Amino acid sequence: QQKVQQSPESLIVPEGAMTSLNCTFSDSASQYFAWYRQHSGKAPKALMSIFSNGEKEEGRFTIHLNKASLHFSLHIRDSQPSDSALYLCAGPSNTNKVVFGTGTRLQVLP
Amino acid sequence: GGIITQTPKFLIGQEGQKLTLKCQQNFNHDTMYWYRQDSGKGLRLIYYSITENDLQKGDLSEGYDASREKKSSFSLTVTSAQKNEMAVFLCASSPGTGDYAEQFFGPGTRLTVL
Repeated sequence: QQKVQQSPESLIVPEGAMTSLNCTFSDSASQYFAWYRQHSGKAPKALMSIFSNGEKEEGRFTIHLNKASLHFSLHIRDSQPSDSALYLCAGPSNTNKVVFGTGTRLQVLP
Repeated sequence: GGIITQTPKFLIGQEGQKLTLKCQQNFNHDTMYWYRQDSGKGLRLIYYSITENDLQKGDLSEGYDASREKKSSFSLTVTSAQKNEMAVFLCASSPGTGDYAEQFFGPGTRLTVL
């Protein structure tokens, strides 16, 4: 059974900082990984996804997948108060549907 | 664009009561999901359905039933509400029936059990 663990559980950073969120998974055969973001009281929304080893950048957000080390990360450059949210990583389970991690709650202080 | 509607937004029930949550989507997506989110934490899959009248159990299906009578709607029944399952229940949908599609979420139903 695929398991997805996130760290840290919560994080407070000052505005302008580089933020790094981490996700580890148990099954290296997994092909699809994604980050979702959920602002307080709102629905989760997909942020970025990746299918193969490597890096992908969109604006201030970069995701990095390393299947050999079973590691998936999200980096936010120049963090803004509007980035404050719960971040969920997602990967496929052995039922071939997405399984979500436990979440990292990010707070960016102005 | 499309939208996912969940009703009711807030649901209050008595312990042991049978309660039903409803979800509608107008994306014309094939796959729909029900998740439970406890205290702003991660999502746990209860049920999903890849087409009308199809039901697949997730990791948390015990104590729940689901129904997909139409492509656009997916309902979840809490068979006997318990105080330890007070949570936000999120409905989602995704295009196609494959494994690697983005999921679109509804705003959630918050369940309180008295």
